[in-house]
Amino acid sequence: GQNIDQPTEMTATEGAIVQINCTYQTSGFNGLFWYQQHAGEAPTFLSYNVLDGLEEKGRFSSFLSRSKGYSYLLLKELQMKDSASYLCAVRDGASAGNKLTFGGGTRVLVKP
Amino acid sequence: DGGITQSPKYLFRKEGQNVTLSCEQNLNHDAMYWYRQDPGQGLRLIYYSQIVNDFQKGDIAEGYSVSREKKESFPLTVTSAQKNPTAFYLCASSLTGDIQYFGAGTRLSVL
Repeated sequence: GQNIDQPTEMTATEGAIVQINCTYQTSGFNGLFWYQQHAGEAPTFLSYNVLDGLEEKGRFSSFLSRSKGYSYLLLKELQMKDSASYLCAVRDGASAGNKLTFGGGTRVLVKP
Repeated sequence: DGGITQSPKYLFRKEGQNVTLSCEQNLNHDAMYWYRQDPGQGLRLIYYSQIVNDFQKGDIAEGYSVSREKKESFPLTVTSAQKNPTAFYLCASSLTGDIQYFGAGTRLSVL
C-alpha cells in the first residue's frame, strides 16, 4: 500500500518562495506527480519526477529523492493566483493500471 | 478541442435513488479513472479502466458501479447503497502509463 504525507496548510507573501514537502512510503514506486487545484476546480498537472533530482519548469520546480521517500515542490516569485491546494501523488509500480495515490493536499495562501 | 467532459456540474440525489455521472473524453486515451474528493481532502480512487469492457475496483468502490462500453465513455453510477455520497467527483483519463488529466468535476449533494 501507499502512505503519503504533506502539510495541511502554508502561508507565504507575494514575491516570496514556498517549499511544499511530501513524504511517501510505497510498496512499489513508479513516479511522483504534483498537481495544482484551485478551490472547486479540477486538479491540473504541474510536474512529474521518476528519477532523483530537480525538475525545473518556470517558477515551479520539483525535487525527488527515492532513497528517502521524499519530494518537494518549490514555488518561486509567488503570485496571488498561486493560492491553491497542491496535491502530491505517487504512482504504484507494483500494480497494473497506472494507479495514483494522492496525499491530502497542501493549501497555500499567498498574502499581499 | 480535445478534453474531458463531465456532466452534470451539480447533481442532487434523493434518498434511495441511483444517479449516474457522465464522463466523456476525445483524447483517444485508453485509461479512465473515477475519484472522490471530500472537503479539504485528497482524491480517493473509486474505479478505473485500462481498456474497453474491462474495469477494476479502486480503494472505495463499495456503493458505486461503472461501465466501459466505449473507449470515450466511463459513466459512474452512485447507488442507493452508498450511504454518504455527498462529495466532489472527478473523472480522469490517460494514455497507458502517462499523466492523468482531469475533467471539471461533478458536485453531488443529497436532498
